[in-house]
Amino acid sequence: DVKVTQSSRYLVKRTGEKVFLECVQDMDHENMFWYRQDPGLGLRLIYFSYDVKMKEKGDIPEGYSVSREKKERFSLILESASTNQTSMYLCASSFRTGGSGYTFGSGTRLTVV
Amino acid sequence: GDSVTQMEGPVTLSEEACLTINCTYTATGYPSLFWYVQYPGEGLQLLLKATKADDKGSNKGFEATYRKETTSFHLEKGSVQVSDSAVYFCASYSGGYNKLIFGAGTRLAVHP
Repeated sequence: DVKVTQSSRYLVKRTGEKVFLECVQDMDHENMFWYRQDPGLGLRLIYFSYDVKMKEKGDIPEGYSVSREKKERFSLILESASTNQTSMYLCASSFRTGGSGYTFGSGTRLTVV
Repeated sequence: GDSVTQMEGPVTLSEEACLTINCTYTATGYPSLFWYVQYPGEGLQLLLKATKADDKGSNKGFEATYRKETTSFHLEKGSVQVSDSAVYFCASYSGGYNKLIFGAGTRLAVHP
């Protein structure tokens, strides 16, 4: 069964900590995406990547960075976590042209205290 | 730019009731259209899709028909179950290197 795996389902971090959220896919997809989901705000795209070592800003990149050193892995980094980054984070992947849709991971619920 | 508009929720139904969740899109050309479902505490799962006008996508008793004339892709189910309680997202894809555009999501609650 093809899969997008997010390393943690739940995380609690302290304000100011550096936080890494990891995402791995086994479908040989070129594209990978990071979204955050908040009540009433739907899905908001943070960053995406079309290839290894390539990244593009989404709609809300402030306070985040990403890394894609290997095709199957896409990491989201919170350089200095803040309470307003408490959210559900969703990773997704797709082929180069997205006509087959995206495959999502199960999500990481991050709480920053 | 492209956009997807869904009916606002929450939608609350009794078990075995009929469901319709409205979705309309704006796009240049003829996008592919998708419905995703998100169960509590989970990520999104692809529920069904349609790639051209008049196509009908179906899965798990849900259906949606791609209506070019009304730019719509409404999700329907004839008899909902408690286990259908989830958030449903409509999405469009306009081809090439474009990204999927998601609607805001519609929460469905089904009571016994």
